[in-house]
Amino acid sequence: KAGVTQTPRYLIKTRGQQVTLSCSPISGHRSVSWYQQTPGQGLQFLFEYFSETQRNKGNFPGRFSGRQFSNSRSEMNVSTLELGDSALYLCASSTGGTVEQFFGPGTRLTVL
Amino acid sequence: AQSVTQPDIHITVSEGASLELRCNYSYGATPYLFWYVQSPGQGLQLLLKYFSGDTLVQGIKGFEAEFKRSQSSFNLRKPSVHWSDAAEYFCAVARENAGNMLTFGGGTRLMVKP
Repeated sequence: KAGVTQTPRYLIKTRGQQVTLSCSPISGHRSVSWYQQTPGQGLQFLFEYFSETQRNKGNFPGRFSGRQFSNSRSEMNVSTLELGDSALYLCASSTGGTVEQFFGPGTRLTVL
Repeated sequence: AQSVTQPDIHITVSEGASLELRCNYSYGATPYLFWYVQSPGQGLQLLLKYFSGDTLVQGIKGFEAEFKRSQSSFNLRKPSVHWSDAAEYFCAVARENAGNMLTFGGGTRLMVKP
């Protein structure tokens, strides 16, 4: 069974731009969660989607948003990029009935 | 709000030596507890998890962890470390009935000396 895939793997943007990251969960998984990993703040939860509905949200500004499609694929969007948004963005999927999550390789976003 | 503390930022052990990575959590009820490992440039791989029952849990790659409610700890152990175990290790906690929101500790970077 294929694992969680994230595209693109690497991304370079400039301040003020917006970016969209994509995540395809493991087949049959209905929950997708997003995390931000930075050297200073560590791993922080952004949000979780389950059956196309946001089920949980972390403490991030409204510039960070996401959505989930009917095939469970998810996208997250960051608008008006700031230098501090440079991070590894990790996506994780689960069946939704358990908190056991499987992580993708991440998207490395660099904001210049 | 729950929190997770990993007191050791870096640990160096010799290959073949035993390993213990510390994890303390703060949460009012019994949490769901996890250990993940991250190799450079990679995502997180689940080593083991504790939901309930036996407080000593076995994971992959020869790792085990023990849940101690009285100490609010969930320490990770391995009897004999291999060079390939060098990586960063994260302890995480989730609340029951709170969806899939994981709270992570700051991580412990493990280095293995030959």
